[in-house]
Amino acid sequence: EDKVVQSPLSLVVHEGDTVTLNCSYEVTNFRSLLWYKQEKKAPTFLFMLTSSGIEKKSGRLSSILDKKELFSILNITATQTGDSAIYLCAGRGGSQGNLIFGKGTKLSVKP
Amino acid sequence: EAGVVQSPRYKIIEKKQPVAFWCNPISGHNTLYWYRQNLGQGPELLIRYENEEAVDDSQLPKDRFSAERLKGVDSTLKIQPAELGDSAVYLCASSLVIGGTETQYFGPGTRLLVL
Repeated sequence: EDKVVQSPLSLVVHEGDTVTLNCSYEVTNFRSLLWYKQEKKAPTFLFMLTSSGIEKKSGRLSSILDKKELFSILNITATQTGDSAIYLCAGRGGSQGNLIFGKGTKLSVKP
Repeated sequence: EAGVVQSPRYKIIEKKQPVAFWCNPISGHNTLYWYRQNLGQGPELLIRYENEEAVDDSQLPKDRFSAERLKGVDSTLKIQPAELGDSAVYLCASSLVIGGTETQYFGPGTRLLVL
């Protein structure tokens, strides 16, 4: 059965800290891995990764994929209170090419 | 550009009652998804539409859930009758494939509470 596992499930840090969120996956017919940020309700797209070893960056956020070890990390440097959210990882694959989501990591950034 | 629109935002009903959710995708997005997200879990796909055709409804509990996307634009998801375990956030997403890359955009969701 396809699955995506995220760790930790929750994390509390202080402003200015750097955090690393982990995502491992077992997805048949794997195509890509996506990261979303979920504040309140709607997940918003952060990154899509298809190739190993190529880092994607957007401001203080960056992500990389390792297709050999089947995992991805999301880094956030110099965290701010506005980074507080649930970060969802999803693998695209399976027989229909749908997204399989992990449970998410709940990040709380304290001032 | 308007994002994915969903209504209502919140719904409280008693068990055994019917309920319906509505979604209007981003203009031009052919693919529409309905997800269910339980507390502390990631979204789980219920059904995927390509235009007006349901191409994957394998995860939809068909004894009580139904969906339609007439004319291939907006969509409704219905539960009849609702059960206590249906309490969750129901998310709609739409996507467009550009250059072989698909990105899903989510709506704000409908939070359902079944009492």
